[in-house]
Amino acid sequence: EVQLVESGGGLVQPGGSLRLSCAASGFTVRSNYMTWVRQAPGKGLEWVSVIYNDGTTYYAESLKGRFTISRDNSKNTLDLQMNSLRVEDTAVYYCAKIEGSGWYGAWGQGTLVTVSS
Amino acid sequence: DVQMTQSPSTLSASVGDRVTITCRASQYINRWLAWYQQKPGKAPKVLIYKASSLDSGVPSRFSGSGSGTEFTLTISSLQPDDFATYYCQQYNSYWTFGQGTKVEIK
Repeated sequence: EVQLVESGGGLVQPGGSLRLSCAASGFTVRSNYMTWVRQAPGKGLEWVSVIYNDGTTYYAESLKGRFTISRDNSKNTLDLQMNSLRVEDTAVYYCAKIEGSGWYGAWGQGTLVTVSS
Repeated sequence: DVQMTQSPSTLSASVGDRVTITCRASQYINRWLAWYQQKPGKAPKVLIYKASSLDSGVPSRFSGSGSGTEFTLTISSLQPDDFATYYCQQYNSYWTFGQGTKVEIK
């Protein structure tokens, strides 16, 4: 059974950094396209970043230079390093497994990141 | 960037009603569209992919149609478990979600 479990969220001050991790089971992260999506409180879904099985990465234009997606093949995890955090980065962050030509077939339960002084 | 516009933003309906949600893309996306259902405090769950393909285990009362720039999600007979927020998502060019449609009890 495919399972995704995020961790690493919490409270951080503006300008700070946080690293999120998504532990996968039931499949191999490095063989799949994986993505991060976020949802600000009471708001809709926003794509954050993707990593392809060949290691190619893409980011939402508004986040370039501050966030870095990566994977740890030995741990079968997907990670998101977030630097220079802003109040507007406050959101629940979900990791997801991309299926077929691009839809999100499996999601984690999410981890809440709160950026506040 | 491809913008996705859903309508309505909120929909009040009763159990047994036929419900239709519309999603419009700002440019041609072929049939690269998915629909998700999200309940409060939970992660979204895929219902439909490639505009009209029902994901495994999703009840047949859900259906999707459309291509190009206009798409619909239809629930043929609304059930108590269906009160939730629904999002469309294009995956023709990166990924963009609609703003969501909340289906609430009338």
